[in-house]
Parts: sequence; C-alpha cells; structure tokens
Amino acid sequence: GENVEQHPSTLSVQEGDSAVIKCTYSDSASNYFPWYKQELGKRPQLIIDIRSNVGEKKDQRIAVTLNKTAKHFSLHITETQPEDSAVYFCAAIIVWSSNTGKLIFGQGTTLQVKP
Amino acid sequence: GAVVSQHPSWVICKSGTSVKIECRSLDFQATTMFWYRQFPKQSLMLMATSNEGSKATYEQGVEKDKFLINHASLTLSTLTVTSAHPEDSSFYICSARSSGGYAQYFGPGTRLTVL
Repeated sequence: GENVEQHPSTLSVQEGDSAVIKCTYSDSASNYFPWYKQELGKRPQLIIDIRSNVGEKKDQRIAVTLNKTAKHFSLHITETQPEDSAVYFCAAIIVWSSNTGKLIFGQGTTLQVKP
Repeated sequence: GAVVSQHPSWVICKSGTSVKIECRSLDFQATTMFWYRQFPKQSLMLMATSNEGSKATYEQGVEKDKFLINHASLTLSTLTVTSAHPEDSSFYICSARSSGGYAQYFGPGTRLTVL
C-alpha cells in the first residue's frame, strides 16, 4: 500500500523567511496530494492541493510542487508569519472514478515562526 | 462551503460504557466518510472508510466489533466505541468527501476520555 514520508519533523524559521516541507510517496498511482494545517486541538484544514496532472500550484503565500518521476511533493510558504505556526500534514491518495480511495498522511511537521 | 460538524466535541465516560460520535456534512452530500484517530503529537491514523448504505471498510488492526460505524445517509455517519476502556481515550476525527470530488474535509474532532 501507499506510504508517505514527511520531512522535517520540526522546522523553526524567523518571521518573513520561507519554509519548505517535503514529502515522498511510494505508490506511483497516487493522483491527488493535499496539504493540511492543524492547530493545537483543532481540525486539520485543507490549505492547498495538487493533482497529478499539474506540476505546481500557488495560492498567495503558499505553493505546492509535484515531481511525479521522483515521487515527491513539497509545500512552500513564503513571507512566513507567526500565525503560520502549526502542524502541517501532507497526504497522498489514489482517487478512482467511483469516488473510492483513502488519504495516507505523512508524519507531520511542526512549524514554528519566530517573531 | 464544505463544512463538516462533529458531535460531541468532548466526552468523558466510565470504562465499559459505549459512546456514540456523530459526523455530519452540513452543506454537501458525502458519499464517503472516514474516521481517524489521533494521539498527541502524532499523525492521523485511518480507522475505517464508510460509503453510504454499505458496510464500513476497516483498516488492519482496527476491531470492527469495537468501533461500530454506520453511514445511514449522505450527510451522517456515526462511530460507536463499544465497551470503552482507558486505552480508547483519544482524539477521534471524521472527514467527508463529496461524490466525484477529490478534496476531503474534516470535522472538529471529539476528545474521548475513558476513566
């Protein structure tokens, strides 16, 4: 089955710097890669996602890149702010036409943005 | 849009009792719902996948007779923890995906404490 590895487990940056979190997946059939942000005690919130037919996607300060050949994808946060501090999870899934498929999560990255 | 609610948000129960957790998709029809368990500072562990009107598919190692899942309608799934024990104490989170969609949205979670 699918396996997702996420690095680093913790990341500390200064406010205004960029943060990059990387994930690798094992199943080349995976075709959807979302990123979630989870604050302490709260639900994971979808912040950006990318499908396998796209190499890069950007939404304001957040971007995700996908390298299907190498089977890895990354989250890029620019101009980080203290409110970006949270745990970030990557995930991979094979979504079939019949709406089946299950998300497999990475281990999570705790991002701390220092003011 | 894409709001998922979960009830209760927290529950404390005595060992041996059963607890039911409800998950509702408020503004979309969820063909597929998922139940996760999350321990402190860890990733989300998928327990089971349920499709409306059919039996849930449990992940390896998850006792289906202990964690009863019902997905009776396109907007409601329930998880019943039967004969709960202290080791069942955890943060339980549901998520839902609409028919034909890729994105998966999470409920706010239920903190279960078994005394």
